[in-house]
Amino acid sequence: QSALTQPASVSGSPGQSITISCTGTITDVGGYNLVSWYQSHPGKAPKLVIYDVTKRPSGISNRFSGSKSVNTASLTISGLQAEDEADYFCCSYAGYSTLVFGGGTKLTVL
Amino acid sequence: EVQLVESGGGLVQPGRSLRLSCAASGFSFDDYGMHWVRQAPGKGLEWVSGISWNSGDITYADSVKGRFTISRDNAKNSLYLQMNSLRPEDTALYYCAKDGRRLSFGDYFDSWGQGTLVTVSS
Repeated sequence: QSALTQPASVSGSPGQSITISCTGTITDVGGYNLVSWYQSHPGKAPKLVIYDVTKRPSGISNRFSGSKSVNTASLTISGLQAEDEADYFCCSYAGYSTLVFGGGTKLTVL
Repeated sequence: EVQLVESGGGLVQPGRSLRLSCAASGFSFDDYGMHWVRQAPGKGLEWVSGISWNSGDITYADSVKGRFTISRDNAKNSLYLQMNSLRPEDTALYYCAKDGRRLSFGDYFDSWGQGTLVTVSS
């Protein structure tokens, strides 16, 4: 159950697009199309923004999109807004009814 | 509206025990798997344990296996985490989280509580 690998930080200016990567192995990210992404603002509960690699929950802006290639999943946020500044965590099913998170990425909107 | 309210956190000495509770409302509790996820101060999220809708499937992270026990009471719409042999590295904000899929163990969390803080220190 090793944590998935995410960059510690990414940044972008308002209106730009950014992509956060989440790298695992064939036993988690690469083995299942069951990657989810969570947005976490300080002092608030995490919020689901993407599930099943590419799906958006109701109420989540279409500026958020997800993808996957082999063992790496990605979250792209387009048209960056100030309120997007937060920590983002990926999570993958890892077999045998277990789950594993990434270390988290701090997004700064410049 | 889904509501998850954790309780039971606090300061505890290493080696001692603590029991966390999560009161759920706003959805059919007995149709959904539930999980505990923790976040140590300044660190990332860590999945701790999950339990299926009917308690037939229960799993743990390696870091807590053999020390923590997850359970649920569908009649009381409640989730529990019994934590024994606590270590300083168990210090974290513990979140209760709801499965996104009905009648399944689940692989994503569509609702989270606000968390309860557990501090393990002498």
